[in-house]
Amino acid sequence: EVQLVESGGGLVQPGGSLRLSCAASGFTVSRNYMSWVRQAPGKGLEWVSIIYSGGYTYDADSVKGRFTISRDTSKNTLYLQMNSLRADDTAVYYCARDTGLRRGFDCWGQGTLVTVSS
Amino acid sequence: DIQMTQSPSTLSASIGDRVIITCRASRSISSWLAWYQQKPGKAPKLLIYKASTLENGVPSRFSGSGSGTEFTLTINSLQPDDFATYYCHQYNSYSVHTFGQGTKLEIK
Repeated sequence: EVQLVESGGGLVQPGGSLRLSCAASGFTVSRNYMSWVRQAPGKGLEWVSIIYSGGYTYDADSVKGRFTISRDTSKNTLYLQMNSLRADDTAVYYCARDTGLRRGFDCWGQGTLVTVSS
Repeated sequence: DIQMTQSPSTLSASIGDRVIITCRASRSISSWLAWYQQKPGKAPKLLIYKASTLENGVPSRFSGSGSGTEFTLTINSLQPDDFATYYCHQYNSYSVHTFGQGTKLEIK
């Protein structure tokens, strides 16, 4: 069964750092296009970052220079390193898979909540 | 960057109705558009990709159409399970993805 499970969320002070993890099962992370998508409380979906099978990465302007997407092939896990966190980064963070066949995001994790507050 | 504008933001309908949600792109995205359904506290679920292709397991009452800058999601014969929030998502650009702001479908 194809599955994504996020972890690492929690409460962090403004200016702090956090690393989110997304463990995959049933498929190989490095052979797919993997994204992070977030959703602030009561708001819509916002795409955050993507890493392609070839290793190229792109970020939304709102997180550029502060967030870094990466993966560990040996652990079949996707990561999001978040630095210089701000209150407006408060959201549920989802990881999502695009198989590379340009079919959108066909598999999502359950989400992990990040709260940035003093 | 490409902006996606969804309308309406809220839609009230009854069981058995046909509803249409529209998504407009600020410039052409060919057919690289997906639609998702999201229920409270849950992750989004892929319904349609490449503007009009139904994802496996999605009921045939859902359909998508459009290309370029204008897209629609149609739900025929609304069922109780369909009341949720719907998002469009453009993935034309490899460097930036964008979601619409969402349409909340409510029971009238």
